Amino acid sequence: DSGVTQTPKHLITATGQRVTLRCSPRSGDLSVYWYQQSLDQGLQFLIQYYNGEERAKGNILERFSAQQFPDLHSELNLSSLELGDSALYFCASSGKGSSYNEQFFGPGTRLTVL
Amino acid sequence: DQQVKQNSPSLSVQEGRISILNCDYTNSMFDYFLWYKKYPAEGPTFLISISSIKDKNEDGRFTVFLNKSAKHLSLHIVPSQPGDSAVYFCAASDAGKSTFGDGTTLTVKP
Repeated sequence: DSGVTQTPKHLITATGQRVTLRCSPRSGDLSVYWYQQSLDQGLQFLIQYYNGEERAKGNILERFSAQQFPDLHSELNLSSLELGDSALYFCASSGKGSSYNEQFFGPGTRLTVL
Repeated sequence: DQQVKQNSPSLSVQEGRISILNCDYTNSMFDYFLWYKKYPAEGPTFLISISSIKDKNEDGRFTVFLNKSAKHLSLHIVPSQPGDSAVYFCAASDAGKSTFGDGTTLTVKP
């Protein structure tokens, strides 16, 4: 158990809809990262937050947005969903008590867009 | 342009033998390199890392080698065990931002 929790575990929705994925980092970790893993592909970095502020941005679509709240949990919002958005979405955290570069991953949310 | 590449999508080895997983990168600004292991239906878990100032780091059966001039790193697992069967991702970090390869699926046969 990495200490990172993600909800929901599975999500099935239709094209054009909007969904919110939630992540709670390890206790004390200030950084939260979001990744997308499409079928048979690697982990694509989407965005990083540090203590409530956006720290780095990767290949995140404009239809996607994220935020980190004062209690350090984070949400990833995906809107105007397309079939190609079907993927595994991972949240990771890092910070105190670990190497700065080491990330602890949650179990992921599997999103299916029909 | 993929900055971190794992050119072998899969690798199969016999139990007890050595597994060697390879990773190449292009960005000379990367200063930290990590290997993660992923089982199905789980998130990746950190395995071992190496700073760019070193060329080798060992942790039990796992050793990571870094060749900066060739921009190449490798993960050696000796001896390989069936429980090592998983997808292995290499990642390269620049100021804390990690870029991941596409992964190599390792199968260790009993």
